[in-house]
Amino acid sequence: NAGVTQTPKFQVLKTGQSMTLQCAQDMNHEYMSWYRQDPGMGLRLIHYSVGAGITDQGEVPNGYNVSRSTTEDFPLRLLSAAPSQTSVYFCASSYGDRGSNQPQHFGDGTRLSIL
Amino acid sequence: TQLLEQSPQFLSIQEGENLTVYCNSSSVFSSLQWYRQEPGEGPVLLVTVVTGGEVKKLKRLTFQFGDARKDSSLHITAAQPGDTGLYLCAGGRRGQNFVFGPGTRLSVLP
Repeated sequence: NAGVTQTPKFQVLKTGQSMTLQCAQDMNHEYMSWYRQDPGMGLRLIHYSVGAGITDQGEVPNGYNVSRSTTEDFPLRLLSAAPSQTSVYFCASSYGDRGSNQPQHFGDGTRLSIL
Repeated sequence: TQLLEQSPQFLSIQEGENLTVYCNSSSVFSSLQWYRQEPGEGPVLLVTVVTGGEVKKLKRLTFQFGDARKDSSLHITAAQPGDTGLYLCAGGRRGQNFVFGPGTRLSVLP
């Protein structure tokens, strides 16, 4: 009963490095999304996907790329890490389309520090 | 500018007290969700309300959606230390992504 699995849980990068945050879900959900959580800002949407092969930008997409080659996986790539990208990143999935009443299931997050 | 505002931002109370936290917007939503997030974990859905004026109860937690579907409240009766966490509201509209408020951080002291 894994739900949404994110790896790694913690990561420290130097400015300019690139990395990929992994997200996998085993609930056959079509909708998946990436958020960042900063103090006092709540959850802000970075990118989302409504199904395999379909991705789109959210509120704060700059500096991040995503792909969705399978229903299960939705990796988030930081192209050239900047200190402003220090944050906690959450992946979520849900049954149904955007804005549906279905619950979003969240992973436990990746805590990323950029030095 | 936050589409959803939550108040208070922080709340520290003693075990057994009652409390209410608020989620407000100038926009109308078709649904409103409340999540609780504990340290080191992702948010977990508590409830979804979809009808203006709707009231839902979950044990000691009572959720209300405003008549105009622009605001919501969460009332906790006889708070317990296990209620400690970050409470997030999220507003949804069909065909659009949910938007989250900044959260209310609740601490219930034994």
